[in-house]
Amino acid sequence: KAGVTQTPRYLIKTRGQQVTLSCSPISGHRSVSWYQQTPGQGLQFLFEYFSETQRNKGNFPGRFSGRQFSNSRSEMNVSTLELGDSALYLCASSFSPSGGLAKNIQYFGAGTRLSVL
Amino acid sequence: AQKITQTQPGMFVQEKEAVTLDCTYDTSDQSYGLFWYKQPSSGEMIFLIYQGSYDEQNATEGRYSLNFQKARKSANLVISASQLGDSAMYFCAMAGNTDKLIFGTGTRLQVFP
Repeated sequence: KAGVTQTPRYLIKTRGQQVTLSCSPISGHRSVSWYQQTPGQGLQFLFEYFSETQRNKGNFPGRFSGRQFSNSRSEMNVSTLELGDSALYLCASSFSPSGGLAKNIQYFGAGTRLSVL
Repeated sequence: AQKITQTQPGMFVQEKEAVTLDCTYDTSDQSYGLFWYKQPSSGEMIFLIYQGSYDEQNATEGRYSLNFQKARKSANLVISASQLGDSAMYFCAMAGNTDKLIFGTGTRLQVFP
């Protein structure tokens, strides 16, 4: 069974640009979550999608958005990039039929490392 | 509010020895899950072990075991027979009613021959 696939693995952008990251979950998984990892802030939750609906959202500005498609694949978009957006962006998927994430293991992809110059 | 605390920024262990990585948590949720992940330098977050708040027995997965002490709100990871490939960052995480993973700051484990 294939794991969570994130593309691209590395990205270099300049301030003011926008970027789209992609995540393909494990087959059969319907929940996709996104996390940002930086040396200063650690791992922070961005948002979670389930059946094409955003079910939960972290404390990030509106420049960060996402969506999920009918095949559970998800994209994350960051507009008007800032230097502070440089980070490792991790996507995770889980089956999550009920009981939420307290009873469902999240499996992560290898991440997309974004550098903003 | 939920919180995970990992007080050991770094740990050293000799190959083949056991090591315990500490994790304490704080939550008012009755139902929650506790997770440990390993992150090598490549960046991928690898799931290791899960413990549900209502599980009476400590979870085990191969060389990994979770020492769950609910009253003390601790969920320490024990790695037995350490291997050089165990060198990595280790994160403790929790999910409760808010349906998102809250991570600790991590512990960097280095295994030496």
